[in-house]
Amino acid sequence: KNQVEQSPQSLIILEGKNCTLQCNYTVSPFSNLRWYKQDTGRGPVSLTIMTFSENTKSNGRYTATLDADTKQSSLHITASQLSDSASYICVVSAYKLSFGAGTTVTVRA
Amino acid sequence: DVKVTQSSRYLVKRTGEKVFLECVQDMDHENMFWYRQDPGLGLRLIYFSYDVKMKEKGDIPEGYSVSREKKERFSLILESASTNQTSMYLCASSPQRVKNIQYFGAGTRLSVL
Repeated sequence: KNQVEQSPQSLIILEGKNCTLQCNYTVSPFSNLRWYKQDTGRGPVSLTIMTFSENTKSNGRYTATLDADTKQSSLHITASQLSDSASYICVVSAYKLSFGAGTTVTVRA
Repeated sequence: DVKVTQSSRYLVKRTGEKVFLECVQDMDHENMFWYRQDPGLGLRLIYFSYDVKMKEKGDIPEGYSVSREKKERFSLILESASTNQTSMYLCASSPQRVKNIQYFGAGTRLSVL
């Protein structure tokens, strides 16, 4: 069973709208959590990284939150743009990296 | 900026062929990794290396081997390609002290017919 579960698997939103992606994990002991953005046909690129003591981290229109007690993280995209269409991958670091399967976001005009 | 370069973006091979996927990084990183990425499964670690001529099996090493003759280059080898090895292959590198913060290449999409 995957130790990092992401939801939803995919979503479609209209340009300018907001959306939130979820990541639940069971990985232990926890070191850090990263969100990656992966454009179609490209490699993943890091958006944010959070350690155990951090609750929120922003990168432009992307805001990630972390609740280490409940082992949940979210990625919020504000005022979506067409260029936000991509797969977003949650990666949890313990002794090794554990990858979520990703959420595919499609932004439509 | 860290640059991880994979030699091919797309490859089409036939069943039974020997396939080489090449990866080069320019940041003098000690650690290098090979993953495959399949829909709904996320990234799965095939092999990794923490030093020249050193290699360790990841979670799914069957059907693959690797070579690291130089620090900057890490090659993935499919000795006899099979159709179930059709996938997206991603190479990554990281510095020694922060091996879990990895930088990825653009990927090679391999189709085995």
